Amino acid sequence: GEDVEQSLFLSVREGDSSVINCTYTDSSSTYLYWYKQEPGAGLQLLTYIFSNMDMKQDQRLTVLLNKKDKHLSLRIADTQTGDSAIYFCAESKSGGYQKVTFGTGTKLQVIP
Amino acid sequence: GAVVSQHPSWVICKSGTSVKIECRSLDFQATTMFWYRQFPKQSLMLMATSNEGSKATYEQGVEKDKFLINHASLTLSTLTVTSAHPEDSSFYICSAPGHRPLENYGYTFGSGTRLTVV
Repeated sequence: GEDVEQSLFLSVREGDSSVINCTYTDSSSTYLYWYKQEPGAGLQLLTYIFSNMDMKQDQRLTVLLNKKDKHLSLRIADTQTGDSAIYFCAESKSGGYQKVTFGTGTKLQVIP
Repeated sequence: GAVVSQHPSWVICKSGTSVKIECRSLDFQATTMFWYRQFPKQSLMLMATSNEGSKATYEQGVEKDKFLINHASLTLSTLTVTSAHPEDSSFYICSAPGHRPLENYGYTFGSGTRLTVV
């Protein structure tokens, strides 16, 4: 079955870069996502990457995928206090509307 | 973009009563809706998948009679927690597959419902 793991907590200073890591076990994963959850709220899709890509950049966000090691990372450049939240990586497969399997979530704390 | 409206945002109910949570797709048709449960400081666990006009598919370990799902229209899916007990207290989130085009691909989430059973 699918298993997605992340470190639980990350603390960075405002202005520094944050790197959140994720590992997954299912090699048939096709889509890999990063979601942001603020306290008491639903999830906001930040970005996604297809499994045939190595990297994707979107403004301050850079996603790196190492398919061989089944490792996904999210880099947030110039981290701001508004970036403080829980970040979930997630995976799903192709073929219709597949369920999304979420990682354990990483709580990012940005210190002013 | 695609929006899923979830209500209520929070609800407190007495043990033994039932609670209904609604998720509406506002500007698109959601033929599929995923229902998740999130315990404090934990990840989201998929409970069930509802499809418009057919029976929901429940994940292993989720009680069908406890968590009733109805997806009677293309814009509305409901989750009813029947005979709620304190252990049912949790954060419930619905999610619908987002719309193409590809840049917007993803799953749109409701804002979640905080259920507290006392």
